Amino acid sequence: GAGVSQSPSNKVTEKGKDVELRCDPISGHTALYWYRQSLGQGLEFLIYFQGNSAPDKSGLPSDRFSAERTGGSVSTLTIQRTQQEDSAVYLCASRTGPRENTEAFFGQGTRLTVV
Amino acid sequence: AQSVTQLDSHVSVSEGTPVLLRCNYSSSYSPSLFWYVQHPNKGLQLLLKYTSAATLVKGINGFEAEFKKSETSFHLTKPSAHMSDAAEYFCVVSASDDKIIFGKGTRLHILP
Repeated sequence: GAGVSQSPSNKVTEKGKDVELRCDPISGHTALYWYRQSLGQGLEFLIYFQGNSAPDKSGLPSDRFSAERTGGSVSTLTIQRTQQEDSAVYLCASRTGPRENTEAFFGQGTRLTVV
Repeated sequence: AQSVTQLDSHVSVSEGTPVLLRCNYSSSYSPSLFWYVQHPNKGLQLLLKYTSAATLVKGINGFEAEFKKSETSFHLTKPSAHMSDAAEYFCVVSASDDKIIFGKGTRLHILP
């Protein structure tokens, strides 16, 4: 596609339910990143994929968070047993990699609200 | 490990006056540095990037930044602020471990 696509754009869920957030990167981009942006906060790094592998999972806040990537393309971020503090905008980015001097392109994000 | 510090969480300037948004970085490797802008309810957009070529980098909308290795800084400037520049600005570092690290952001307010 023309850009990074994320779905859904908005998600309201009840505390304790599981949610899945999807990211479609730009075609051909091998590196994919997930971030979380809470109200008034910067972007918190969650996880990074190179191809289907996740060399760096250090940012995942707890074992309720997991992510996978299949076919070197689509990625899914899953949050189990959601809590109110999980409410945030979840952003996905992709870039051609592994080259640190290339820019990352961002999706519009998924706004998650846990009630 | 790399990190980014944006020294001001909020900056207010009058329309037509210069803008300075400060950023300091820490990196074990020779980093690439970026500035992104996020307008309200909009996605992140790249303003400019430094990738070890010229130390003075020009970006979109009249913004530029200068890489100063001795000061480990990459401050963003613009000679004359416009109302449409009101947004949140993020300084970003990327190094050979492929991680992309964001600063906490600086919210720029433009006063009429």
